[in-house]
Amino acid sequence: AQRVTQPEKLLSVFKGAPVELKCNYSYSGSPELFWYVQYSRQRLQLLLRHISRESIKGFTADLNKGETSFHLKKPFAQEEDSAMYYCALKNDMRFGAGTRLTVKP
Amino acid sequence: DAGVTQSPTHLIKTRGQQVTLRCSPKSGHDTVSWYQQALGQGPQFIFQYYEEEERQRGNFPDRFSGHQFPNYSSELNVNALLLGDSALYLCASSLSASALHFGNGTRLTVT
Repeated sequence: AQRVTQPEKLLSVFKGAPVELKCNYSYSGSPELFWYVQYSRQRLQLLLRHISRESIKGFTADLNKGETSFHLKKPFAQEEDSAMYYCALKNDMRFGAGTRLTVKP
Repeated sequence: DAGVTQSPTHLIKTRGQQVTLRCSPKSGHDTVSWYQQALGQGPQFIFQYYEEEERQRGNFPDRFSGHQFPNYSSELNVNALLLGDSALYLCASSLSASALHFGNGTRLTVT
């Protein structure tokens, strides 16, 4: 079955520490993967997409087809990164369950 | 640009009733997708409309239906409401295959 798995519901790190939010997918074709973020009291919004291979707010994500992963990384977390993060597979419009990231001062 | 707007923001219905939720897409967007998000869960895809037709559908029963109008706005209808339909309903618009732009959602409570 096609799915998107985010194994951690909660992730807590200290400011300045590296952070990695995990995402694994299952899809038989060529995947189109996105990361969306929801800050407190804001709407869900796009963070980045694998096709563009860009860095947004210091975050990057690399598609690893061998491991079927699309982990989101940032070398130095900031308090303003605290939010809910969702990995999404655009091919079948599927979202993961989300990871709540808390960056402590 | 107001972005994606949804109405109403909150709604309380009784089991067995019917409900209609509305969505206006971001200016220039032609595709509308609907999601259901239960508490503590990720958004679950209901369906997507493009050119006034349902283009893709998730694993939701026929009680969930929709419509897209010529101005690209959309409605989500749910018939014979169940307690389990209580959730946040999100509308997202996009331009064809681009990324999704979400509204703030409609919180539906079924009692």
